[in-house]
Amino acid sequence: QQQVKQSPQSLIVQKGGISIINCAYENTAFDYFPWYQQFPGKGPALLIAIRPDVSEKKEGRFTISFNKSAKQFSLHIMDSQPGDSATYFCAASIGGSARQLTFGSGTQLTVLP
Amino acid sequence: DVKVTQSSRYLVKRTGEKVFLECVQDMDHENMFWYRQDPGLGLRLIYFSYDVKMKEKGDIPEGYSVSREKKERFSLILESASTNQTSMYLCASSFPPRDPSYEQYFGPGTRLTVT
Repeated sequence: QQQVKQSPQSLIVQKGGISIINCAYENTAFDYFPWYQQFPGKGPALLIAIRPDVSEKKEGRFTISFNKSAKQFSLHIMDSQPGDSATYFCAASIGGSARQLTFGSGTQLTVLP
Repeated sequence: DVKVTQSSRYLVKRTGEKVFLECVQDMDHENMFWYRQDPGLGLRLIYFSYDVKMKEKGDIPEGYSVSREKKERFSLILESASTNQTSMYLCASSFPPRDPSYEQYFGPGTRLTVT
């Protein structure tokens, strides 16, 4: 049972465009929502994260929008660049012995030059 | 810089073999995790450990076991490898939940092929 659903599976955007990746979750006990970025041949790395007490978090060109009532959150990449081409994973976690993460299925983003 | 290293980048094993995947972290992290990554399925948690000799099952523990004898090292064991265990295996580590940073640091992965 997938607790975090991510879409789209793949996304192609022109340089300078806006990339939008969406995630929906089911468990209302989740209280931490990170996005991870993975380049080919590398492990995922934390990109940006949000807690449910805020509706938006921005770091440079990357913004998370969070809608608690709809149980949805999304990643917006403004002014997308070819160097942003990577696989993006949303995730969610609950406090526990190790705060383990539940990941979405991933979105492969390609930014065309 | 945090470093999580995995013993092999690529591994080819035969069906029925016992396989050991090793992971070492240098940040004195309490928590360590093993995931498998498959296209269209994302990362799925196999096992995790929150302290030496402590382990908990993740979402897909069947066919796997783990060992954590030292804080910096977490091993994933495939007791009898099967072709459906062909996958990318990722190790990660993190500080304990009491630390405000919940970030998990990942190794580069081991691509395991079982023939």
